[in-house]
Amino acid sequence: NAGVTQTPKFQVLKTGQSMTLQCAQDMNHEYMSWYRQDPGMGLRLIHYSVGAGITDQGEVPNGYNVSRSTTEDFPLRLLSAAPSQTSVYFCASSYSTGELFFGEGSRLTVL
Amino acid sequence: GDSVTQMEGPVTLSEEAFLTINCTYTATGYPSLFWYVQYPGEGLQLLLKATKADDKGSNKGFEATYRKETTSFHLEKGSVQVSDSAVYFCGRNSGGSNYKLTFGKGTLLTVNP
Repeated sequence: NAGVTQTPKFQVLKTGQSMTLQCAQDMNHEYMSWYRQDPGMGLRLIHYSVGAGITDQGEVPNGYNVSRSTTEDFPLRLLSAAPSQTSVYFCASSYSTGELFFGEGSRLTVL
Repeated sequence: GDSVTQMEGPVTLSEEAFLTINCTYTATGYPSLFWYVQYPGEGLQLLLKATKADDKGSNKGFEATYRKETTSFHLEKGSVQVSDSAVYFCGRNSGGSNYKLTFGKGTLLTVNP
Protein backbone atom coordinates (compact mmCIF):
# COMPACT_ATOMS: atom_id res chain seq x y z
CA ASN A 1 0.00 0.00 0.00
CA ALA A 2 1.89 3.05 -1.28
CA GLY A 3 -0.21 5.80 0.39
CA VAL A 4 1.06 9.24 -0.63
CA THR A 5 4.07 9.26 -2.93
CA GLN A 6 6.14 12.36 -3.61
CA THR A 7 8.87 12.80 -6.20
CA PRO A 8 11.60 13.88 -6.30
CA LYS A 9 12.88 13.54 -2.75
CA PHE A 10 15.69 16.02 -3.32
CA GLN A 11 16.13 18.78 -5.90
CA VAL A 12 18.53 21.66 -6.41
CA LEU A 13 17.48 24.52 -8.67
CA LYS A 14 18.98 27.78 -9.79
CA THR A 15 17.05 30.99 -9.32
CA GLY A 16 14.56 31.44 -12.15
CA GLN A 17 14.30 27.78 -13.09
CA SER A 18 10.97 26.00 -13.10
CA MET A 19 10.04 22.59 -11.82
CA THR A 20 7.14 20.41 -10.74
CA LEU A 21 6.88 18.44 -7.53
CA GLN A 22 4.77 15.37 -8.10
CA CYS A 23 2.29 13.92 -5.63
CA ALA A 24 0.16 10.83 -6.06
CA GLN A 25 -2.15 8.99 -3.67
CA ASP A 26 -3.78 5.60 -4.07
CA MET A 27 -6.37 5.85 -1.27
CA ASN A 28 -9.11 7.53 -3.35
CA HIS A 29 -9.03 10.55 -1.04
CA GLU A 30 -11.04 13.58 -2.08
CA TYR A 31 -8.85 16.13 -0.39
CA MET A 32 -5.20 16.87 -1.20
CA SER A 33 -2.91 19.63 -0.06
CA TRP A 34 0.63 20.97 -0.18
CA TYR A 35 2.50 22.32 2.84
CA ARG A 36 5.95 23.75 3.21
CA GLN A 37 8.01 23.24 6.33
CA ASP A 38 10.57 25.81 7.39
CA PRO A 39 12.64 26.04 10.58
CA GLY A 40 10.80 28.03 13.24
CA MET A 41 7.72 28.35 11.04
CA GLY A 42 6.16 24.92 11.29
CA LEU A 43 3.98 23.79 8.40
CA ARG A 44 2.18 26.31 6.25
CA LEU A 45 -0.54 25.48 3.73
CA ILE A 46 0.29 26.44 0.14
CA HIS A 47 -2.64 25.13 -1.93
CA TYR A 48 -5.33 22.56 -1.49
CA SER A 49 -7.94 20.73 -3.52
CA VAL A 50 -11.29 19.28 -2.47
CA GLY A 51 -11.67 17.17 -5.59
CA ALA A 52 -10.71 16.81 -9.24
CA GLY A 53 -10.95 20.14 -11.01
CA ILE A 54 -11.18 22.17 -7.79
CA THR A 55 -8.24 23.98 -6.18
CA ASP A 56 -7.87 26.87 -3.77
CA GLN A 57 -5.17 28.92 -2.12
CA GLY A 58 -3.83 28.36 1.34
CA GLU A 59 -1.77 30.61 3.58
CA VAL A 60 1.32 31.03 1.34
CA PRO A 61 0.30 30.51 -2.33
CA ASN A 62 2.49 33.10 -4.07
CA GLY A 63 5.00 31.61 -6.50
CA TYR A 64 3.21 28.26 -6.74
CA ASN A 65 0.62 26.81 -9.10
CA VAL A 66 -1.43 23.65 -8.79
CA SER A 67 -3.95 21.68 -10.79
CA ARG A 68 -6.03 18.58 -10.05
CA SER A 69 -7.01 16.75 -13.21
CA THR A 70 -7.47 13.38 -11.49
CA THR A 71 -8.35 12.23 -7.99
CA GLU A 72 -4.94 10.61 -7.63
CA ASP A 73 -2.53 13.38 -8.64
CA PHE A 74 -1.85 16.87 -7.33
CA PRO A 75 1.36 18.40 -8.76
CA LEU A 76 2.89 21.60 -7.39
CA ARG A 77 4.58 23.87 -9.92
CA LEU A 78 7.23 26.49 -9.29
CA LEU A 79 7.30 28.70 -12.39
CA SER A 80 10.34 30.80 -11.48
CA ALA A 81 12.13 29.51 -8.42
CA ALA A 82 13.46 31.94 -5.80
CA PRO A 83 15.80 31.31 -2.85
CA SER A 84 12.86 32.00 -0.51
CA GLN A 85 11.29 28.80 -1.83
CA THR A 86 14.08 26.69 -0.35
CA SER A 87 12.13 24.40 1.94
CA VAL A 88 10.82 20.91 2.58
CA TYR A 89 7.52 20.32 0.82
CA PHE A 90 4.90 17.86 2.01
CA CYS A 91 1.90 16.60 0.13
CA ALA A 92 -1.05 15.24 2.12
CA SER A 93 -4.38 13.62 1.37
CA SER A 94 -7.50 12.92 3.37
CA TYR A 95 -11.12 11.98 3.45
CA SER A 96 -13.20 14.69 5.08
CA THR A 97 -12.34 13.35 8.53
CA GLY A 98 -9.39 15.54 9.41
CA GLU A 99 -6.79 12.78 9.40
CA LEU A 100 -4.18 13.85 6.87
CA PHE A 101 -1.87 11.25 5.36
CA PHE A 102 1.48 12.79 4.49
CA GLY A 103 4.12 11.87 1.96
CA GLU A 104 7.77 11.62 2.96
CA GLY A 105 8.61 15.10 1.75
CA SER A 106 10.61 16.75 -1.03
CA ARG A 107 13.62 18.81 -0.04
CA LEU A 108 14.15 21.72 -2.45
CA THR A 109 17.16 24.02 -2.50
CA VAL A 110 17.14 27.12 -4.70
CA LEU A 111 20.55 28.70 -5.28
CA GLY B 1 -7.93 33.87 12.22
CA ASP B 2 -7.45 30.25 13.16
CA SER B 3 -4.11 29.60 14.79
CA VAL B 4 -2.29 27.25 17.13
CA THR B 5 0.45 28.10 19.59
CA GLN B 6 2.62 25.40 21.03
CA MET B 7 5.61 25.21 23.30
CA GLU B 8 8.62 25.65 21.07
CA GLY B 9 11.30 23.62 22.76
CA PRO B 10 13.54 21.88 22.13
CA VAL B 11 12.66 19.55 24.97
CA THR B 12 15.25 17.10 26.26
CA LEU B 13 14.26 14.39 28.72
CA SER B 14 15.68 11.25 30.20
CA GLU B 15 14.02 7.94 29.49
CA GLU B 16 10.97 7.28 31.73
CA ALA B 17 10.48 10.99 32.46
CA PHE B 18 7.05 12.65 32.27
CA LEU B 19 6.31 14.68 29.16
CA THR B 20 4.05 17.68 28.67
CA ILE B 21 3.96 19.75 25.50
CA ASN B 22 1.61 22.71 25.77
CA CYS B 23 -0.75 23.69 22.97
CA THR B 24 -3.40 26.41 22.82
CA TYR B 25 -5.69 27.34 19.96
CA THR B 26 -7.76 30.33 18.92
CA ALA B 27 -11.35 29.90 19.99
CA THR B 28 -13.02 30.40 16.61
CA GLY B 29 -15.75 27.96 15.82
CA TYR B 30 -15.73 24.41 17.19
CA PRO B 31 -12.50 22.96 15.85
CA SER B 32 -11.27 19.41 15.89
CA LEU B 33 -7.81 19.20 17.46
CA PHE B 34 -4.91 16.99 16.51
CA TRP B 35 -1.40 15.97 17.48
CA TYR B 36 0.89 14.79 14.71
CA VAL B 37 4.37 13.30 15.09
CA GLN B 38 7.26 13.52 12.65
CA TYR B 39 10.09 11.03 13.05
CA PRO B 40 13.47 11.91 11.51
CA GLY B 41 13.39 11.86 7.72
CA GLU B 42 9.69 11.07 7.52
CA GLY B 43 6.41 12.84 6.90
CA LEU B 44 3.93 13.64 9.63
CA GLN B 45 1.60 10.98 10.95
CA LEU B 46 -1.46 11.35 13.12
CA LEU B 47 -0.80 10.59 16.79
CA LEU B 48 -4.21 11.39 18.29
CA LYS B 49 -7.22 13.63 17.87
CA ALA B 50 -10.28 14.99 19.68
CA THR B 51 -13.36 16.38 18.02
CA LYS B 52 -15.29 18.07 20.84
CA ALA B 53 -14.88 19.61 24.27
CA ASP B 54 -13.79 17.23 27.06
CA ASP B 55 -12.85 14.48 24.58
CA LYS B 56 -9.59 12.72 25.36
CA GLY B 57 -7.48 11.45 22.51
CA SER B 58 -4.96 8.71 23.26
CA ASN B 59 -2.48 6.55 21.38
CA LYS B 60 0.86 4.83 22.13
CA GLY B 61 0.74 6.06 25.75
CA PHE B 62 0.20 9.68 24.73
CA GLU B 63 -2.91 11.56 25.82
CA ALA B 64 -4.44 14.98 25.23
CA THR B 65 -7.75 16.42 26.50
CA TYR B 66 -9.76 19.03 24.60
CA ARG B 67 -10.25 21.86 27.12
CA LYS B 68 -12.65 24.45 25.78
CA GLU B 69 -12.52 26.64 28.89
CA THR B 70 -8.75 27.13 28.55
CA THR B 71 -8.60 26.61 24.74
CA SER B 72 -5.89 24.03 25.29
CA PHE B 73 -4.92 20.58 24.04
CA HIS B 74 -1.75 19.69 25.92
CA LEU B 75 0.09 16.48 25.01
CA GLU B 76 1.21 14.23 27.88
CA LYS B 77 2.97 10.93 28.34
CA GLY B 78 3.78 9.37 31.66
CA SER B 79 7.03 7.65 30.74
CA VAL B 80 8.86 8.55 27.54
CA GLN B 81 11.14 6.24 25.61
CA VAL B 82 14.11 6.92 23.35
CA SER B 83 11.90 5.92 20.42
CA ASP B 84 9.59 8.88 21.18
CA SER B 85 12.29 11.30 20.00
CA ALA B 86 10.61 13.25 17.20
CA VAL B 87 8.97 16.57 16.34
CA TYR B 88 5.41 16.97 17.60
CA PHE B 89 2.88 19.26 15.94
CA CYS B 90 -0.39 20.46 17.38
CA GLY B 91 -3.07 21.28 14.84
CA ARG B 92 -6.66 22.37 14.41
CA ASN B 93 -8.96 22.34 11.47
CA SER B 94 -9.61 25.78 10.04
CA GLY B 95 -11.93 27.69 7.78
CA GLY B 96 -14.85 25.56 8.86
CA SER B 97 -13.52 22.53 6.99
CA ASN B 98 -12.62 19.26 8.61
CA TYR B 99 -9.62 18.61 6.38
CA LYS B 100 -7.84 21.97 6.12
CA LEU B 101 -5.45 22.00 9.05
CA THR B 102 -3.45 24.78 10.71
CA PHE B 103 -0.40 23.65 12.65
CA GLY B 104 1.75 25.02 15.42
CA LYS B 105 5.47 25.47 14.83
CA GLY B 106 6.40 22.07 16.21
CA THR B 107 8.28 20.92 19.30
CA LEU B 108 11.44 18.85 19.01
CA LEU B 109 11.63 16.17 21.69
CA THR B 110 14.86 14.32 22.40
CA VAL B 111 14.83 11.44 24.87
CA ASN B 112 18.18 10.29 26.18
CA PRO B 113 18.80 6.77 27.54
